Amino acid sequence: DTGVSQNPRHKITKRGQNVTFRCDPISEHNRLYWYRQTLGQGPEFLTYFQNEAQLEKSRLLSDRFSAERPKGSFSTLEIQRTEQGDSAMYLCASSSMSSGNTIYFGEGSWLTVV
Amino acid sequence: AQTVTQSQPEMSVQEAETVTLSCTYDTSESNYYLFWYKQPPSRQMILVIRQEAYKQQNATENRFSVNFQKAAKSFSLKISDSQLGDTAMYFCAFGNNNDMRFGAGTRLTVKP
Repeated sequence: DTGVSQNPRHKITKRGQNVTFRCDPISEHNRLYWYRQTLGQGPEFLTYFQNEAQLEKSRLLSDRFSAERPKGSFSTLEIQRTEQGDSAMYLCASSSMSSGNTIYFGEGSWLTVV
Repeated sequence: AQTVTQSQPEMSVQEAETVTLSCTYDTSESNYYLFWYKQPPSRQMILVIRQEAYKQQNATENRFSVNFQKAAKSFSLKISDSQLGDTAMYFCAFGNNNDMRFGAGTRLTVKP
C-alpha cells in the first residue's frame, strides 16, 4: 500500500493556461475527494466520487474546474483558463467503508498562477 | 449544511505539558464521525484520532484523547506530555458517508 499519490507536486503556470492534476487513491478505496487549501486555512471541499460517479460538487467548483474518475480508479482535476485566485494546494484523499470513513490524504499539488 | 468551528487560531504549550484544542460543529444528522487531523509545516495531513458519534466512550490514542459531548456538539482534543514534534496545524473535521468538512485549524506550537 503506497498511500494516496498526487502529481505533479508543484506546478507554476501563467494566467489563462490550463492545468491538470492527477490523483491515484489507495487501491482498495472506492471514494475519492478533492479539496483546495490556501495558506493558513483548512481544506475546502471541492468534489467527491464514489467509484466513477461524481456524487457531489461544491459551489467553489466553477465551470472552469472539471474532475473525472474514469473506471473508478485514478482521478484528474483540470482547471481551465487559470486565474491568480486559483493559486492553492489541491489535496486529494480517499476512503472506503473498510477504512471506517476515515479519509487518507495525499501530499497535495501546489499550484502557483503567475 | 454541516459546519465546523475552531475558535482558537493559535495556541502554545510548554514541552511535557498538556494542551486542549477546542472544536464545535453543527449538524442535524445522527450518524457521523469526528476527526482530528494534524498537518506539520509543509508536510502531509495525517489522522490523529477519530470518534464515531454513536459511541459514548471517548476515543484515546496514546497521548491524544478527545472529549466528545454530543448534546453540546463539542469535540475537543487533549494532547498530554506535549512533544516538539506535535508542533503543527490541527484540523477538526466532521464526516458522514458522503464527505468531510474541516474547521479553519489551530496552529499549535510546542515550546522547549
